[in-house]
Amino acid sequence: DQQVKQNSPSLSVQEGRISILNCDYTNSMFDYFLWYKKYPAEGPTFLISISSIKDKNEDGRFTVFLNKSAKHLSLHIVPSQPGDSAVYFCADKSNFGNEKLTFGTGTRLTIIP
Amino acid sequence: DTGVSQNPRHKITKRGQNVTFRCDPISEHNRLYWYRQTLGQGPEFLTYFQNEAQLEKSRLLSDRFSAERPKGSFSTLEIQRTEQGDSAMYLCASSETGEIGTGELFFGEGSRLTVL
Repeated sequence: DQQVKQNSPSLSVQEGRISILNCDYTNSMFDYFLWYKKYPAEGPTFLISISSIKDKNEDGRFTVFLNKSAKHLSLHIVPSQPGDSAVYFCADKSNFGNEKLTFGTGTRLTIIP
Repeated sequence: DTGVSQNPRHKITKRGQNVTFRCDPISEHNRLYWYRQTLGQGPEFLTYFQNEAQLEKSRLLSDRFSAERPKGSFSTLEIQRTEQGDSAMYLCASSETGEIGTGELFFGEGSRLTVL
């Protein structure tokens, strides 16, 4: 079974600086990794993803990097904005056909104005 | 609103009572998922449907839990004889089969269960 680990439960970053959120995984058999963002009292919303065959994907202020040899991925947000304050989850999409997502425990990002 | 809809948003019940949650997915989505999230954890997979067929259940889903999707549209998740450990946010998500790409799931806002 895939295990997805986010070892930093919280992170505080000054507005305008770069936020870097990290995620480690155990099983190399996956299709995609996805990042979700969650505000209090709302469901998670999709942010950005990366395919297993890529090592980088960029979308505006958000870039995800995948290091397959280290089984590690990271989400970079630059510049960080107050509206980015939320809990961020990385999630592995299984390649077994059910498209089930396995989520990490999340990192609470706080952007300091 | 064409997103995933869940109700009730919050349910408070006494231990031993039964509760039922409803999820209305995005209309063109034929896959529907239930997840559970507790404090400090990420969402944990419970079960998923393709149309009306329940194709996978997590071992987290004890026999007190049952989910249905009778006509391949809305789904219900029932918990019988609730226990305090069932207190959590229950999230529903939907997606479209065969979508080439990330397999993004679209989540509802969740139903929070508090068992006293």
